[in-house]
Amino acid sequence: NAGVTQTPKFQVLKTGQSMTLQCAQDMNHEYMSWYRQDPGMGLRLIHYSVGAGITDQGEVPNGYNVSRSTTEDFPLRLLSAAPSQTSVYFCASSYSTLGLYYEQYFGPGTRLTVT
Amino acid sequence: SQELEQSPQSLIVQEGKNLTINCTSSKTLYGLYWYKQKYGEGLIFLMMLQKGGEEKSHEKITAKLDEKKQQSSLHITASQPSHAGIYLCGADSSGGGADGLTFGKGTHLIIQP
Repeated sequence: NAGVTQTPKFQVLKTGQSMTLQCAQDMNHEYMSWYRQDPGMGLRLIHYSVGAGITDQGEVPNGYNVSRSTTEDFPLRLLSAAPSQTSVYFCASSYSTLGLYYEQYFGPGTRLTVT
Repeated sequence: SQELEQSPQSLIVQEGKNLTINCTSSKTLYGLYWYKQKYGEGLIFLMMLQKGGEEKSHEKITAKLDEKKQQSSLHITASQPSHAGIYLCGADSSGGGADGLTFGKGTHLIIQP
């Protein structure tokens, strides 16, 4: 199993550009989520999905869109990048049973810089 | 919203010494997760605690959950250079985990040879 994979590993964008951060998992996990990690702020939840076709907002959703068309993939879209979105982005997935969710497995992260 | 406070923020320990990291929640803990992050890398799951009084160990790392105090501690015995990194606690505040985890800001651990 590859686990949770993220691409790209590094990205530099100019203000106003758009891009999609890719996330895929091969563990058949229902639950997937996106976090951003900033110095002094810790990890903050952006969006999450409890299954294909279902997404919801986390703590800091503004400026980001997500969709979940398959169990495996959960891309994060930045429609118009801003310097405040400079961060390290982590995707995570988790299995669930009987409505309970368990430990999340994290991808290696994408380092995004917006100039 | 739930907040997790970790202490200390950073820790320098001589190799072979024991150490403890604490994580205190502002709200009821339904599940407490410990992760380790090496600089520039992703998070590695260490342990999950779900019941008050629960204690788990893996190799030289032991984690405990005190539900009444809304607190968890991570104890490393006879520290080694491989223990260096950032330790993060994460909490499930909803009882089911579907809303994601709230994380503390992390404890930076440095092991001096």
